[in-house]
Amino acid sequence: AQKITQTQPGMFVQEKEAVTLDCTYDTSDPSYGLFWYKQPSSGEMIFLIYQGSYDQQNATEGRYSLNFQKARKSANLVISASQLGDSAMYFCAMREGISDDKIIFGKGTRLHILP
Amino acid sequence: DTGVSQDPRHKITKRGQNVTFRCDPISEHNRLYWYRQTLGQGPEFLTYFQNEAQLEKSRLLSDRFSAERPKGSFSTLEIQRTEQGDSAMYLCASSLDLFSNEQFFGPGTRLTVL
Repeated sequence: AQKITQTQPGMFVQEKEAVTLDCTYDTSDPSYGLFWYKQPSSGEMIFLIYQGSYDQQNATEGRYSLNFQKARKSANLVISASQLGDSAMYFCAMREGISDDKIIFGKGTRLHILP
Repeated sequence: DTGVSQDPRHKITKRGQNVTFRCDPISEHNRLYWYRQTLGQGPEFLTYFQNEAQLEKSRLLSDRFSAERPKGSFSTLEIQRTEQGDSAMYLCASSLDLFSNEQFFGPGTRLTVL
């Protein structure tokens, strides 16, 4: 079974609009962490935001916020006021447990910001 | 530049040849990770090190693959007898320690096996 599911292969959004990228996850471990990474066409993976499973509040980093719905096992990324530079691949990822350090990535969503 | 660096950035090789990639993590980062990313997919975990100790290896890492981090600083990933299916982007990442949430990624080495 897929550990991380991103159901939107591609999205087109008008500049300055908000955009939500969907992510659902599957784990039986009560302790886990959720990540979002951005990968521009240049290829490097850029860390955006992190949410711990025990965190009470949704994580926010500037224009990025993570809509964490634990019961639904959902961790959607919200980008406010989108910019042309936001066009990239976005990956949702998870780290399970306390000591397991590997990150499991989803297949990604390609976001296109239209001028 | 004090980020993660990888060398080479691109490698084209013929099937059956051996290749070696190098990763230099951020200074003082104890943990180093290797991932592989094929076209249209997210990165897949291969292996990781705590200092010089290799702590985990994925089943994706066949016996043709070997990774080392001899002095707990830079790491090498060697692929022996390359196959066309090895063509991918090989990503290296580092983190300060177990309790760090962020893994910092390098630019990757793109391998093409002809």
